[in-house]
Amino acid sequence: AQSVTQPDIHITVSEGASLELRCNYSYGATPYLFWYVQSPGQGLQLLLKYFSGDTLVQGIKGFEAEFKRSQSSFNLRKPSVHWSDAAEYFCAVGAYNTDKLIFGTGTRLQVFP
Amino acid sequence: EPEVTQTPSHQVTQMGQEVILRCVPISNHLYFYWYRQILGQKVEFLVSFYNNEISEKSEIFDDQFSVERPDGSNFTLKIRSTKLEDSAMYFCASRQGRANEKLFFGSGTQLSVL
Repeated sequence: AQSVTQPDIHITVSEGASLELRCNYSYGATPYLFWYVQSPGQGLQLLLKYFSGDTLVQGIKGFEAEFKRSQSSFNLRKPSVHWSDAAEYFCAVGAYNTDKLIFGTGTRLQVFP
Repeated sequence: EPEVTQTPSHQVTQMGQEVILRCVPISNHLYFYWYRQILGQKVEFLVSFYNNEISEKSEIFDDQFSVERPDGSNFTLKIRSTKLEDSAMYFCASRQGRANEKLFFGSGTQLSVL
């Protein structure tokens, strides 16, 4: 079955600390992978995506993610978190032959000063 | 950055009533989508729409749901007879091209069915 798992429901970090949000997927076809961020009252904003090529992808706001096929993972990282990064983060998977994205349940990030 | 606009931001309705959720996708986009998120659950795909017809739909998108692009700018989701379990945040999204293009989401309509 196609699915996305984000094992961490809620993460709290101090401002300036590094961050890693985990994402594992199960997908039959070659996956397209995405990370979205949702701030309160806002829509889903694309942080970054992976389709092919270099497995380390850079996104907006200083985020990066690494695709590891052997681990079926696409973890999101940021070396130094800012208070404005507090939001809900969603990992999603799709494919070239479908319009449908499958989302994880999200990870809520809280940042302490 | 261009935006997808959704109205209203909140909608309250009685069970059994019809609701129409409205979206204005980005003007040069060709692919349109509805997703929903029940409180505390995953964002779920409902339907995709291209060239004035549904291109893909999920099992959630039953006969109670319909979509329309009535005037070339708006994209609507209609729920004919709302149920309590339809209460959710509904997101509209649009994309210029196919899967390798960026998908732009609106800020959502929170639907509450009483």
